[in-house]
Amino acid sequence: DQQVKQNSPSLSVQEGRISILNCDYTNSMFDYFLWYKKYPAEGPTFLISISSIKDKNEDGRFTVFLNKSAKHLSLHIVPSQPGDSAVYFCAASEGRVGTASKLTFGTGTRLQVTL
Amino acid sequence: DTGVSQNPRHKITKRGQNVTFRCDPISEHNRLYWYRQTLGQGPEFLTYFQNEAQLEKSRLLSDRFSAERPKGSFSTLEIQRTEQGDSAMYLCASSLPLGGLSTDTQYFGPGTRLTVL
Repeated sequence: DQQVKQNSPSLSVQEGRISILNCDYTNSMFDYFLWYKKYPAEGPTFLISISSIKDKNEDGRFTVFLNKSAKHLSLHIVPSQPGDSAVYFCAASEGRVGTASKLTFGTGTRLQVTL
Repeated sequence: DTGVSQNPRHKITKRGQNVTFRCDPISEHNRLYWYRQTLGQGPEFLTYFQNEAQLEKSRLLSDRFSAERPKGSFSTLEIQRTEQGDSAMYLCASSLPLGGLSTDTQYFGPGTRLTVL
């Protein structure tokens, strides 16, 4: 049972345009969400996160939006740059005090930013 | 470099052999996680340490797998009697929870790619 879903395996965007990556989740206990970027043969690199008490978090070119009622989050990258080409993973955790925040990942979306 | 480090980066072994991987977390991070990633999938949680205590294990972690974190610093993941299905990228992550917050951000190492022939 895939609790975190990234339904688009790939996305191609022109340099300078906006990239929008989507993620859906089914577990209503998830209350902390993260986006990671992964290059081949490397570990995931943390990009940005959002707590369920917020609906938006922004860090430079990256903005994450959370719609709790729809159990949906998205990552916006503006403007997209060729160096953004990578696989992006959405991850979620159940933030229970005093316990591990183990992450549940989606299957990833491969973003290609073209010139 | 003060990031999470993992050794070796690559390991090729024959079926039935034992292998051991090492993870050195970011200094002062008291939480350490192991994940496994197979082709086309996201990382899957294996186990978690708070300091030296192993507090949670996934059902993915069969009895052939054992993890330790002596003295709450580096960690090792051992796989005994490896099978071809164990071929995967093994990722380590560490974190430092902020104050009373229950959520924390995990920082990953480069991973160890295991190939079982």
